[in-house]
Amino acid sequence: QVQLVESGGGLVKPGGSLRLSCAASGFTFSDYFMSWIRQAPGKGLEWVSYISGRGPTIKYADSVKGRFTISRDNTKNALYLQMSSLRPEDTAVYYCARDQDNSWLDPWGQGTLVTVSS
Amino acid sequence: SYVLTQPPSVSVAPGQTASITCGGDNVGSKSVHWYQQRPGQAPVVVVYDDSDRPSGIPERFSGSNSGNTATLTISRVEAGDEADYYCQVWDSLSDHVFGPGTKVTVL
Repeated sequence: QVQLVESGGGLVKPGGSLRLSCAASGFTFSDYFMSWIRQAPGKGLEWVSYISGRGPTIKYADSVKGRFTISRDNTKNALYLQMSSLRPEDTAVYYCARDQDNSWLDPWGQGTLVTVSS
Repeated sequence: SYVLTQPPSVSVAPGQTASITCGGDNVGSKSVHWYQQRPGQAPVVVVYDDSDRPSGIPERFSGSNSGNTATLTISRVEAGDEADYYCQVWDSLSDHVFGPGTKVTVL
């Protein structure tokens, strides 16, 4: 079955960096856009970034532009989010999701918690 | 940027019908998708493309979209439907846009 599993979250100091990973299985990974979405504690969902199947199309939310970098390795069925210059407001659960051609997002992984605090 | 609005909360008795609205400028011209998020869990799509249901989602979940309002309707509400519900659209300028979410409480 289609499955997404995130990893790499943790506690990091403001200004620090962290790399999230998302392992995909059960579908032809390179055929799909993939997105990262985050959810701050007790808050709603915020789309962060997406990348096309072969990688030439990449977009970021204004809140992370210039600080986060999305990438993928289709040979490993893996999606990544390199986060730098982290701020306390980046504290959130980060989800990866299969992006149905810039339409709906399904499925979602279980999420990984990133906490930015001194 | 494109903005979606939702009521913060909806309360409904078991067996009754819950309606959750999603407002946006001419949202009827866009495809609206709805997600259910139970406490401590990842979101799950319950309606996509305004009114289609993924396999495994009960027929009790239905959607509509016209003008400036999209609606998710949950018929014959059950205790297990208690969750946060988010609408989402894709906008050419704003990319994926989520509504603020609606907490459904089953009385």
